Formats: sequence, C-alpha cells, structure tokens
Amino acid sequence: DVKVTQSSRYLVKRTGEKVFLECVQDMDHENMFWYRQDPGLGLRLIYFSYDVKMKEKGDIPEGYSVSREKKERFSLILESASTNQTSMYLCATLGTAKGGYTFGSGTRLTVV
Amino acid sequence: EDQVTQSPEALRLQEGESSSLNCSYTVSGLRGLFWYRQDPGKGPEFLFTLYSAGEEKEKERLKATLTKKESFLHITAPKPEDSATYLCAVQAPGSNYQLIWGAGTKLIIKP
Repeated sequence: DVKVTQSSRYLVKRTGEKVFLECVQDMDHENMFWYRQDPGLGLRLIYFSYDVKMKEKGDIPEGYSVSREKKERFSLILESASTNQTSMYLCATLGTAKGGYTFGSGTRLTVV
Repeated sequence: EDQVTQSPEALRLQEGESSSLNCSYTVSGLRGLFWYRQDPGKGPEFLFTLYSAGEEKEKERLKATLTKKESFLHITAPKPEDSATYLCAVQAPGSNYQLIWGAGTKLIIKP
C-alpha cells in the first residue's frame, strides 16, 4: 500500500511565522497535491505537482508556496502565517485515476 | 460552473437500517466520479471510482451507482463502524486528475 506521511499531526504557530508542512510518499508517484479542509467548505486545492521541480496553482494558492526537490517529498510553505490559515491540511498522491488519491493523515494547523 | 452537491448533510440511522447518500454534479463530460470515506481527524480513504452511467461498484455493505447527473452510495444493514463522513468528487474534462469535491455527508449509525 502507498503510504503518505505528513510530518506533524498538530501544529500551533504564531501570526507572521513562516510555516513548513512536509509530506513524504513511499511509492514512485508523480502526482502530489496539497489541500485544505474547512467545515462546510469541503476540500480545496492549494497547489499540485506533476513532477520534480514542477508546480501549479490550485484554487486557493494565495499566501502559500510549495517545493518539490525530490519525487517523494512535497512541502507546503506558509510565507507569513495568518489566523485565516487555521485549518486541516491534507497531502495526497495519485498513481493512476483508477486507484484514486491516497491521503496522509493530515496536519491540523492553528495560527494564533 | 462545475459543482458537486451532496445530500443530506448528515444522516442518523439505526444499526441495520439501510439508506442511500446522494451526490449530484453539474459537470459536462464526466471523466470519473470518486467516493471516499473520512474518519474524524484522518485523511479521506478511497472507496470507489465510477466512469460511466449504469456502472456499479460494491465493497462490503457499500454499493455505489452512477447516472448521468448523480451518484448514490447505498449502505445496506449498516453497523456502527460505518459511521464516518462520506465524500464525493468528480474529475472534470481538461483536468489532470484535479477533482471537484462535495462537502460530504456525515453518517452516524446508532447501535
């Protein structure tokens, strides 16, 4: 089974801090995604990547950036954390569409 | 605008009471419809992919069906461990595996 590991389950950061969320997969999947999930809003795509050093904006990229230096690692960066970025952040990987996304366990980020 | 709507928002059933969850979509040229299960504090877990009207998939007490405008997730004789939020998503034409997500149905099965 594909494993997607997110480095932290819970994180509390202060407004203005630079925040790094890490995601690592143990299969050779090219496609990786970062979502945020908020009650009543569903999953919203922040950024995605189809290959090393390749990135594309999703629906809500403002205030975020990403890095993919190695195929197995996809990092989400909050340049200057704000309270409206308090959310559950989910990383996912995709091999083939038939197999669906595989998600990590999520990082619940609180910005105070 | 491409949209996915799930209903109801929440559903409470007694153990053994069968029911269905609905996912309706307004996407032309559907490339795939996905069902996921999400437990509290965890990431979604993949259940099914459906591609064409009339297709059905089954897994234990769950059966997913697809028509041209909606999908149903039927749950037969549910158990308390089936309690979770069920998410539906569709892949629109021209997208590279990007999905449009519904807000989910929270299912609670009481013993």
